[in-house]
Amino acid sequence: GQNIDQPTEMTATEGAIVQINCTYQTSGFNGLFWYQQHAGEAPTFLSYNVLDGLEEKGRFSSFLSRSKGYSYLLLKELQMKDSASYLCAVRFLIYNQGGKLIFGQGTELSVKP
Amino acid sequence: DADVTQTPRNRITKTGKRIMLECSQTKGHDRMYWYRQDPGLGLRLIYYSFDVKDINKGEISDGYSVSRQAQAKFSLSLESAIPNQTALYFCATSDPGQGYNEQFFGPGTRLTVL
Repeated sequence: GQNIDQPTEMTATEGAIVQINCTYQTSGFNGLFWYQQHAGEAPTFLSYNVLDGLEEKGRFSSFLSRSKGYSYLLLKELQMKDSASYLCAVRFLIYNQGGKLIFGQGTELSVKP
Repeated sequence: DADVTQTPRNRITKTGKRIMLECSQTKGHDRMYWYRQDPGLGLRLIYYSFDVKDINKGEISDGYSVSRQAQAKFSLSLESAIPNQTALYFCATSDPGQGYNEQFFGPGTRLTVL
């Protein structure tokens, strides 16, 4: 299978830094996405990693280690509006089916004052 | 203006009824997807279409059917709704020739089957 594992929920303090981890099975890996989803709203694209290393985009950074099947999303200078669910999604290449995107269950982040 | 729209946004129906959820997009993307989201289970793919003549089953297609009426329109039907189809449904689009082929989601349809 292509299970995606991430913590169910996390809590952090306004102004702090939080790291949300995601692990996946490495076979067929073809890229990893992070999405943000506020309650009752559509997921919105945050970042994409396909090569090892860190991708930085403002307060958000995403890291990938392909050999370990591991990624994390790092949120700095947390704001109350960052309270949301963060979805890790991995694209796998399946023989004869092309690319297939599998989503993790999401990590519910609560930012406290 | 929203690039991906879904109608209706909320729907309450009864067991056994036929329901159609509609999705339209102005992004010009060829690829369109239907997902359902349930608490604790994440987004699961129901059907997807890579162009007007292409329809493919996702991981949970039983009880659902789709129609790709045009590049911009992709409809999801529940032929005979049952309570365990109560969920939040999202349509999404993507273009492998743009960006990272990331998916753009509509606002969702909250469906309740009584």
